[in-house]
Amino acid sequence: AQKVTQAQTEISVVEKEDVTLDCVYETRDTTYYLFWYKQPPSGELVFLIRRNSFDEQNEISGRYSWNFQKSTSSFNFTITASQVVDSAVYFCALKVAYSGYALNFGKGTSLLVTP
Amino acid sequence: GAVVSQHPSRVICKSGTSVKIECRSLDFQATTMFWYRQFPKKSLMLMATSNEGSKATYEQGVEKDKFLINHASLTLSTLTVTSAHPEDSSFYICSARDQDGQETQYFGPGTRLLVL
Repeated sequence: AQKVTQAQTEISVVEKEDVTLDCVYETRDTTYYLFWYKQPPSGELVFLIRRNSFDEQNEISGRYSWNFQKSTSSFNFTITASQVVDSAVYFCALKVAYSGYALNFGKGTSLLVTP
Repeated sequence: GAVVSQHPSRVICKSGTSVKIECRSLDFQATTMFWYRQFPKKSLMLMATSNEGSKATYEQGVEKDKFLINHASLTLSTLTVTSAHPEDSSFYICSARDQDGQETQYFGPGTRLLVL
């Protein structure tokens, strides 16, 4: 069975602070994909990043960075110098390669960035 | 990036009526689309997988006769909520799987359904 755990339900930070959103996944498969999506108040899910299980290289995109560690089954997301526009719900998701195409979502972390 | 549209964005209907929601992939072909339901402050719950040219695959507990899915072309899937009731009120989101081999799903903007 596959499972994604986002232990942080809500996080509140002041603008310009750094914040890390945790994601821990469970799967017995060796081939899988991990995703992060952002859901602002408007509701639309915005794709942020995809990682496959064979690529543990960390990635940085502007103020966003991701730390993928297979040893701890984690795929954490860090926002540097947070901004008010970063306020949203962030979902981590897992897709196993050989069990269809559906995504397993975590419960999401609601991030509030205040001025 | 790939764009998925959804229509309508918001609908209010009376109990007992049927509501059709469209999901379109605008700049890519999608043999597989997905329909999710999201309750307030909750995660996304997969309802069904829509396959172009064949029957949809429903998740356990989802009534296929109530939530009719049609995927008639590579760019369009529709979800019809038949005989809607207040408990069907929710946020419905579709996604389309890009066929680039990278397994990324792109999501539509969602449809807020309110059944009175």
